[in-house]
Amino acid sequence: KAGVTQTPRYLIKTRGQQVTLSCSPISGHRSVSWYQQTPGQGLQFLFEYFSETQRNKGNFPGRFSGRQFSNSRSEMNVSTLELGDSALYLCASSRGAGGAPDTQYFGPGTRLTVL
Amino acid sequence: AQTVTQSQPEMSVQEAETVTLSCTYDTSESDYYLFWYKQPPSRQMILVIRQEAYKQQNATENRFSVNFQKAAKSFSLKISDSQLGDAAMYFCAYRSGTGNQFYFGTGTSLTVIP
Repeated sequence: KAGVTQTPRYLIKTRGQQVTLSCSPISGHRSVSWYQQTPGQGLQFLFEYFSETQRNKGNFPGRFSGRQFSNSRSEMNVSTLELGDSALYLCASSRGAGGAPDTQYFGPGTRLTVL
Repeated sequence: AQTVTQSQPEMSVQEAETVTLSCTYDTSESDYYLFWYKQPPSRQMILVIRQEAYKQQNATENRFSVNFQKAAKSFSLKISDSQLGDAAMYFCAYRSGTGNQFYFGTGTSLTVIP
């Protein structure tokens, strides 16, 4: 089975711009979660999508949004970029049906640099 | 919200020796799952081991084993016969039995000394 893929792997943007990141989950997985990883804050949960619906949401401003398509692929959008948005953005997929034990598998991440 | 605490920001171990990484968590739930993930310099997060809270037996995966103390809410990872490839950041994670949100600790950076 192919793993979780994320595109692009690296991205450089300037303040005020917007960016869209993409995540393709493992085949058969219906849940996609997004995390922001920075040296100072560690791994912070952004949101989770399951069957095209946002099921969980972390404590991030509305500039961060996402969506999921019928094929379970997910996109994350950040508008009006700020310097503090520079981070590694990780996507993780799982079956999403709960129960024992539904493990998240991570993609390689997208490194976003905001200048 | 559940919290996961890793009190050791950095650890080091000699090659072939054994090291234990600590993790504690706070929850009022009885049904949950615990995980250890490894993040090497490539930044790819890799599942190391997982434990169901309802199982009393500690999980083991080759050189990796856990010491799960449910009453103490402790979930430590033991790495035996440490290898250079074990050098990485290790994250402890918690998932509720009823939801799909994961909560991660702040990580422990493990250095393996040749």
